[in-house]
Amino acid sequence: KAGVTQTPRYLIKTRGQQVTLSCSPISGHRSVSWYQQTPGQGLQFLFEYFSETQRNKGNFPGRFSGRQFSNSRSEMNVSTLELGDSALYLCASSLEPGQGAVSGANVLTFGAGSRLTVL
Amino acid sequence: AQSVTQLGSHVSVSEGALVLLRCNYSSSVPPYLFWYVQYPNQGLQLLLKYTSAATLVKGINGFEAEFKKSETSFHLTKPSAHMSDAAEYFCAVIANSGYSTLTFGKGTMLLVSP
Repeated sequence: KAGVTQTPRYLIKTRGQQVTLSCSPISGHRSVSWYQQTPGQGLQFLFEYFSETQRNKGNFPGRFSGRQFSNSRSEMNVSTLELGDSALYLCASSLEPGQGAVSGANVLTFGAGSRLTVL
Repeated sequence: AQSVTQLGSHVSVSEGALVLLRCNYSSSVPPYLFWYVQYPNQGLQLLLKYTSAATLVKGINGFEAEFKKSETSFHLTKPSAHMSDAAEYFCAVIANSGYSTLTFGKGTMLLVSP
């Protein structure tokens, strides 16, 4: 069974540009979450999607956005990139969100991440 | 708000020695607690989770953790360290039972020397 697939794995952008990252969840998983990992701030929650709807959002500026498609694949977009956006962006999927996430196989399974460098 | 604190950004042990990684939580309600491991250039892998079924939780790769309500702790242990255990370990808590959102600690880097 394939895991969570994130593309691209590495990318370099310059300030002011925008970037789109993609996440394909495990087959059958309908909930997708995104996290940002930086040396200074650690792991921080960005958003959670289920059935193409954003269910929860972290404390990030409006430059960060996301969406989920009918096949559960998700994308996140960062516009007007800043140096501080350099980070590892992690996607995680689960069968369902909420309480379901702590039982059985519904725990979050993470992808390998997309490492973004902003110059 | 629920949160976790990991004591020690780096822990060094010798191969074969006991591994103890500390995590304390703050929660006004029974928490759901997790330990994840991250190897270089990889994502997070779940080691174990506490969901109130049992206070001693066994995970993968010989790791276990004990939930102690009186101490608000969920420390991760392994009796004998292997070189392959060298990685960064994260304690996490579900911030809101209605969501899947994890709140992570700052992480502890485990260094294993021969």
